[in-house]
Amino acid sequence: GQQVMQIPQYQHVQEGEDFTTYCNSSTTLSNIQWYKQRPGGHPVFLIQLVKSGEVKKQKRLTFQFGEAKKNSSLHITATQTTDVGTYFCAAYDMEYGNKLVFGAGTILRVKS
Amino acid sequence: DVKVTQSSRYLVKRTGEKVFLECVQDMDHENMFWYRQDPGLGLRLIYFSYDVKMKEKGDIPEGYSVSREKKERFSLILESASTNQTSMYLCASSSQGEGTEAFFGQGTRLTVV
Repeated sequence: GQQVMQIPQYQHVQEGEDFTTYCNSSTTLSNIQWYKQRPGGHPVFLIQLVKSGEVKKQKRLTFQFGEAKKNSSLHITATQTTDVGTYFCAAYDMEYGNKLVFGAGTILRVKS
Repeated sequence: DVKVTQSSRYLVKRTGEKVFLECVQDMDHENMFWYRQDPGLGLRLIYFSYDVKMKEKGDIPEGYSVSREKKERFSLILESASTNQTSMYLCASSSQGEGTEAFFGQGTRLTVV
């Protein structure tokens, strides 16, 4: 089945530094979603990208979908302590349209 | 406010017990999912359902079964709990159609002793 690989597994940054997490698939994705899970919480939807080469921004967060629709990235500019948590990418399986699979997630810790 | 509710926040069960984890959503969603979350492994899909009485295996279905008798309810069953099933279990739902966002429950921390 379709799999999405996510790196890095863990990143510890100084407050104010930038952060990026990457998501890759061996197969073409119809879309990619990003979720954030705060410590002790549950994943919450952030955004969805659908078009090849698409770029979307939410304040300090920039999301990109690759031209080949096989990779995506989430970039946070000038991290804040409120950014801590685990960031997941997710995609619906092309073969089983209702099957939603997640990457392993990137844990972000921010030192103030 | 949309809601996915899991019946228990914490559960402790003994090895060999039959365990039921319940999930209810109030959004009239067609799709429902069960994941388990373990450190370093992310969210792994156990089973999903796209309609009442319909179920599909996810990536790690072994040792689990599910039931969806009503649209709003999706149950995960551990037929004979084992210690390697100690984990955080997350239920989610989404509406029909590819690319719809998933809403998660608060999770059930299951410990099998």
